[in-house]
Amino acid sequence: EPEVTQTPSHQVTQMGQEVILRCVPISNHLYFYWYRQILGQKVEFLVSFYNNEISEKSEIFDDQFSVERPDGSNFTLKIRSTKLEDSAMYFCASKGTSGGVGEQYFGPGTRLTVT
Amino acid sequence: SQELEQSPQSLIVQEGKNLTINCTSSKTLYGLYWYKQKYGEGLIFLMMLQKGGEEKSHEKITAKLDEKKQQSSLHITASQPSHAGIYLCGAVKPSGAGSYQLTFGKGTKLSVIP
Repeated sequence: EPEVTQTPSHQVTQMGQEVILRCVPISNHLYFYWYRQILGQKVEFLVSFYNNEISEKSEIFDDQFSVERPDGSNFTLKIRSTKLEDSAMYFCASKGTSGGVGEQYFGPGTRLTVT
Repeated sequence: SQELEQSPQSLIVQEGKNLTINCTSSKTLYGLYWYKQKYGEGLIFLMMLQKGGEEKSHEKITAKLDEKKQQSSLHITASQPSHAGIYLCGAVKPSGAGSYQLTFGKGTKLSVIP
């Protein structure tokens, strides 16, 4: 069964460093998302991406964050200068080819720890 | 903004017992998703409901969306230890260009005692 994959599973970085979290969405999907979950809190929407551009972003997704689909298969989230409060589980998700409501599949997540 | 309240926050049941988890929205739901999450892991898609009064089942799990589309319930019949985890409901919020984001509740932690 097709699945969303994410690498690395765990990333430890020092405050101020740049990190890139990688995701490989399901191959024929066109809509891509990043969410995050701070330990013990709700899963929160960060950004949606379609047709090589951001569809929508939340207040959390400030100038320190960027997304890219560099090669038609990977979907990346970059945090330019990490802060302690960026420590969280980051989930990538993808949705199929048609617009509207459809099944949104999540990856296993990358646990980011900022020290 | 749309708020989702899940109840109960946690639930401990004996294996074999039935249980129900509720998800209530402050606004009419455009669509409602149920996911299961094991601690520290990803979200596993369970079901999606869109129409008022809709009901879907998969194995021993049944999800319903009320007619007013403001409340959903997830019912597990004859629970097993494999059902243990955190159940999340997510409300669809359209964001244009055929895309949408999900707003999640805080989750219900289910423990099943053998």
